[in-house]
Amino acid sequence: SQQGEEDPQALSIQEGENATMNCSYKTSINNLQWYRQNSGRGLVHLILIRSNEREKHSGRLRVTLDTSKKSSSLLITASRAADTASYFCATDAGGSYIPTFGRGTSLIVHP
Amino acid sequence: ETGVTQSPTHLIKTRGQQVTLRCSSQSGHNTVSWYQQALGQGPQFIFQYYREEENGRGNFPPRFSGLQFPNYSSELNVNALELDDSALYLCASSLNGDGKETQYFGPGTRLLVL
Repeated sequence: SQQGEEDPQALSIQEGENATMNCSYKTSINNLQWYRQNSGRGLVHLILIRSNEREKHSGRLRVTLDTSKKSSSLLITASRAADTASYFCATDAGGSYIPTFGRGTSLIVHP
Repeated sequence: ETGVTQSPTHLIKTRGQQVTLRCSSQSGHNTVSWYQQALGQGPQFIFQYYREEENGRGNFPPRFSGLQFPNYSSELNVNALELDDSALYLCASSLNGDGKETQYFGPGTRLLVL
């Protein structure tokens, strides 16, 4: 079974709009990571947020973590066509260092 | 570019055959993890090698095996290929195998089993 599940499965927006993706997980974690994948290629690491952190920023990306709700969100502000990709969250379940990925959110940004 | 390379990029094999996929880790990294990503799914952890020793394994049968070499490059071997083995195989390198470091992924090898 999936530890992390992204929502929505697919998201279609216009350039300049914000995109929000959510990730829910089942068991306690040490950290949660967000990745981007373009067209079935390798994954690119975006942000790692630790269980004792609530929010992190990187450029146009903002990640929040709510351990009480076992959920995280990834916000991409002022989206660009180049942001079109699949976005995955990966969690490590409890004491395990093994990251478990969800099925991802497919984001399409229309120019 | 992450500095992690994989070969080959694409491969077509027949059911029952064996395949070897290769991964060169980023300079200075001693840990390599392998993932299988079926179409429309997220990557599934196969196993990890840390300093030439297997350091953890996911829910994959023994016909999935691996090696890590002294230069920390790695191989994934799959015996007795099945149709369901068709997938994108990703390797990722990291500085240490403790899950606290960022993993850097290669571009993947796309395997098709006919």
